[in-house]
Amino acid sequence: ETGVTQTPRHLVMGMTNKKSLKCEQHLGHNAMYWYKQSAKKPLELMFVYSLEERVENNSVPSRFSPECPNSSHLFLHLHTLQPEDSALYLCASSQTGGGDGYTFGSGTRLTVV
Amino acid sequence: GESVGLHLPTLSVQEGDNSIINCAYSNSASDYFIWYKQESGKGPQFIIDIRSNMDKRQGQRVTVLLNKTVKHLSLQIAATQPGDSAVYFCAENTRSSNTGKLIFGQGTTLQVKP
Repeated sequence: ETGVTQTPRHLVMGMTNKKSLKCEQHLGHNAMYWYKQSAKKPLELMFVYSLEERVENNSVPSRFSPECPNSSHLFLHLHTLQPEDSALYLCASSQTGGGDGYTFGSGTRLTVV
Repeated sequence: GESVGLHLPTLSVQEGDNSIINCAYSNSASDYFIWYKQESGKGPQFIIDIRSNMDKRQGQRVTVLLNKTVKHLSLQIAATQPGDSAVYFCAENTRSSNTGKLIFGQGTTLQVKP
């Protein structure tokens, strides 16, 4: 365990389903991130939360909705996804929000059918 | 736009040999660089970092070299072991306002032959 825990590890959902991904960090960090990792593509930054405030949203479709209720928890709510949204979704945290030394979770492998 | 790239998608080395993984970055204003290792089924794990005021930094069996003149970063792994087989990503930090964000390259898959 890295100190960043993601659940579930695997998720299969239909295009009409609603599901949520959860991320929890026990490192005392004040910034959290969602990344999407697709095959043969670089890691894509989706959202950044610093001090529980969303500070970046990289043109992510509205079918992805993040939530950060406190500095230790981050959610990604999913609804009406497309098959091309199938990917590994990675959560990360850092201390300063300055991007130094992210700690990643193990990811949620999402398959949209 | 800004990008961080790696020269080779796959590198195959013999166990015991040294490995060199290369990375080119495009943003001359970046001041912090990190190498991550990602094993199958896991998230990326921090290996080593370097700031732009340094040219070289050494860890346990790993060395990172930074050449700011040509915007090139490399990761050297000494005496490569089967456990080193993974995908390696370089990342650069771009600082804007009060948050920074890491920009990742596409990754190099290191295969270690026994």
